[in-house]
Formats: sequence, C-alpha cells, structure tokens
Amino acid sequence: EVQVVESGGDLVQPGGSLRLSCAASGFTVSNNYISWVRQAPEKGLEWVSVIYAGGERYYTDSVKGRFTISRDTSKNTVYLQMNSLRAEDTAIYYCAREGIASAGLYYFDNWGQGTQVTVSS
Amino acid sequence: DIQMTQSPSSLSASVGDRVTITCRASQTIRGYLNWYQHKPAKAPKLLIYAASTLQSGVPLRFSGSGSGTDFTLTISSLQPEDFATYYCQQSYSIPYTFGQGTKLEIK
Repeated sequence: EVQVVESGGDLVQPGGSLRLSCAASGFTVSNNYISWVRQAPEKGLEWVSVIYAGGERYYTDSVKGRFTISRDTSKNTVYLQMNSLRAEDTAIYYCAREGIASAGLYYFDNWGQGTQVTVSS
Repeated sequence: DIQMTQSPSSLSASVGDRVTITCRASQTIRGYLNWYQHKPAKAPKLLIYAASTLQSGVPLRFSGSGSGTDFTLTISSLQPEDFATYYCQQSYSIPYTFGQGTKLEIK
C-alpha cells in the first residue's frame, strides 16, 4: 500500500528552525516527485516545494532561501528543513506523492495526514 | 504565477442535488487541471486529474470537464459524505497553484 507519513511539526519561536519528515512506504522516493503542501488556519491549500526524481528542487517564492527540500534514499524519506520561520508559516504541512498521467501531467495522488507547525512567541 | 479562481466560494445544497463548481485559470493550462476533496482533519483526496479522468475508487457521480482556462467539477447527486471543501489545482507550471476552495455545506 502506498503511504506517506509526516512528522516533526512543533511550536517554534519566530526566527527558529524545524525539520519535517515524510516517510514513504509502498514506493521509492527516488523514483517519484514528492511535494510539500500547506494549509494555514482558515486558509486554502498552498503548494510549498517539490523534489523531482532527478533531484531538481523548486519552491514557492515566499519560502525561497529559507526552506530546503531533500531526501534520504536509504530511509525512503523526504525532508523539509525550515529556517528563519515566520508567523505566516504557521500551517498544517502535508506531504504528497505526485502521480503522472500522459504528457507530463502531474497530480497529488497520495497525501499524508499532515503535521502542525506553529510559529509563535 | 498562474492564478486559479473558483466559484462559488461556498455553496449550500441538499442530498440528491446536482452541483457544479467552476474553476478559471489566468492563462491557458491546457488540460493540466486536478480536483481534490478536503474534509477537516483529513488528508486531501484526489478526485479528478487531467481535467476529466476519474481517480480510481472515486464514485461515478463525480465528473470533470474543460480545457484551456475554464473547468468544471460536477456532482450529479449529492450524498451526505460529499459535504466538504473542493479545490482545483493546476500542474501546468511551477509554482503549482490551487483555487481558493469551494465549501459545500448542507442546506
């Protein structure tokens, strides 16, 4: 069964750091695209970052230079290192695997339950 | 960035009703459009990908259509478990973007 499980969320002060983990089972992270998507309180879904099978990484503008996505193939896990955290980063963070249809069309076909990140003093 | 605009933002309907949610992209995204259902404290669930392809296991009362900039999600006969928030999402270009969501409530 394909599954992703997030962990690492916590309460952290502004300016602090946190590392989220996305542990995968039923598939290999190195052969798939994995994204992080977040939902701030009373807000909609917002894409944050992706790591491609080939290792390319992309970020939404608001986290560039502060967040880093990476993976450990030996642990079949993807990480999101979050530095210089701000109040506006407060959200539930979801990990999602991207499935692929023809012609390079991707979609989030497997999501975790999410992990809560709260940035507050 | 491509902006995705959903309408309506909220919708009240009854069990058995037919409902349609629309999604408009700020530029053409061809058929690179996906729909998700999200319930509180749950993982979002993929319903439709590539504008009109039903994800495996999703009931046939859900359907999607459209291409270019205008898309629709239709639920042919609402069931109690369908009351949730629905999002469209474009995968045409990075950054991926979602619509603001449509909250479907019981009338």
